[in-house]
Amino acid sequence: DVKVTQSSRYLVKRTGEKVFLECVQDMDHENMFWYRQDPGLGLRLIYFSYDVKMKEKGDIPEGYSVSREKKERFSLILESASTNQTSMYLCASSSRQRGPYEQYFGPGTRLTVT
Amino acid sequence: KNEVEQSPQNLTAQEGEFITINCSYSVGISALHWLQQHPGGGIVSLFMLSSGKKKHGRLIATINIQEKHSSLHITASHPRDSAVYICAAPLNFGNEKLTFGTGTRLTIIP
Repeated sequence: DVKVTQSSRYLVKRTGEKVFLECVQDMDHENMFWYRQDPGLGLRLIYFSYDVKMKEKGDIPEGYSVSREKKERFSLILESASTNQTSMYLCASSSRQRGPYEQYFGPGTRLTVT
Repeated sequence: KNEVEQSPQNLTAQEGEFITINCSYSVGISALHWLQQHPGGGIVSLFMLSSGKKKHGRLIATINIQEKHSSLHITASHPRDSAVYICAAPLNFGNEKLTFGTGTRLTIIP
């Protein structure tokens, strides 16, 4: 059974704190994604990684950074959390081998920044 | 970049009704994705289709490549079908990254 796990389901942080969200997949997928989901806006891509140490900015990378030191793990970092980063964060992975590149999602982390 | 639009945004129906959710996109694609998100957040893939029709239980997905339009149908709807349904399309043909519709919140009343 394929699985994508995220480090926390719920997280509450204070403004200015450094926040780490971790995602692990056990499917040996090359691609990993970080999205945020807000009401009325749908899922928006923050960062994409297609290999270890490789990354691409998505639609809304400002205020975020990522790290991919191992193939199975993709971390999202909020260097200095702000209230407008309160959101649901979803990680996903997919294989690069051939299309149509089905994405497998983690359960999500609901982050509240106060 | 592909633009994906879904309708309706919200849909409430009685148990047993036939449900249709629509999705249109702007750029030719290799396959369209339909996803389901239950309360609590987890998203699962329902269908990926590049032509014609696919069926899984009471769910049917169709796509018209020429019109750049897809529909998701639910027959004999049940309260457990209550969820957010999301369509997604690659940024452009063959792209690994997806762009997502804003979702349709479906509520089935017993």
